[in-house]
Amino acid sequence: KAGVTQTPRYLIKTRGQQVTLSCSPISGHRSVSWYQQTPGQGLQFLFEYFSETQRNKGNFPGRFSGRQFSNSRSEMNVSTLELGDSALYLCASSPNPTSGQFYEQYFGPGTRLTVT
Amino acid sequence: QKEVEQDPGPLSVPEGAIVSLNCTYSNSAFQYFMWYRQYSRKGPELLMYTYSSGNKEDGRFTAQVDKSSKYISLFIRDSQPSDSATYLCAMMGSNYKLTFGKGTLLTVNP
Repeated sequence: KAGVTQTPRYLIKTRGQQVTLSCSPISGHRSVSWYQQTPGQGLQFLFEYFSETQRNKGNFPGRFSGRQFSNSRSEMNVSTLELGDSALYLCASSPNPTSGQFYEQYFGPGTRLTVT
Repeated sequence: QKEVEQDPGPLSVPEGAIVSLNCTYSNSAFQYFMWYRQYSRKGPELLMYTYSSGNKEDGRFTAQVDKSSKYISLFIRDSQPSDSATYLCAMMGSNYKLTFGKGTLLTVNP
């Protein structure tokens, strides 16, 4: 099976712009989670989608949003970019979205976003 | 106080050493305790998990959870240069939400 894929892998944007990142989960996985990873804050949870519905949300401003499509692919959008949004954005999918085994997350390689 | 605290290191050890990685947490609702490993320029991968308290062993790796102290550990025996990576502890309650530590960067020197 192919792993979790994320596009693009690298992105450079200017402050004030918006950006859309894409994630394709492993085939058959219906849950997709998004995380932001920075050296200072580590890996922080953004939100999780299961069957096209946002099931959980982290403590990020409303500029961060996401959605999931019927084929389980997911996108996240960041509007009005700030310098502090520079980070590695990771997507993960889970084969067990309704059991305790939800801890079993499969991560993609991430999208490195740089805001200048 | 952050929900999960992890010493970021870095930690540098010689090949063959025993490595001890630790995390503390404050949320009593956590039931599942995981260790993820992240190589440079890669996403994290699940290494081990433990449900509730106790020990779990898998080859050279042992995970321990002490819920009374809110403390978890990962031990690596006979460490190898290929173990060089960032190790992230993660925890989950019943709400399908993972909370990660900041990660500890480990370097095993040949």
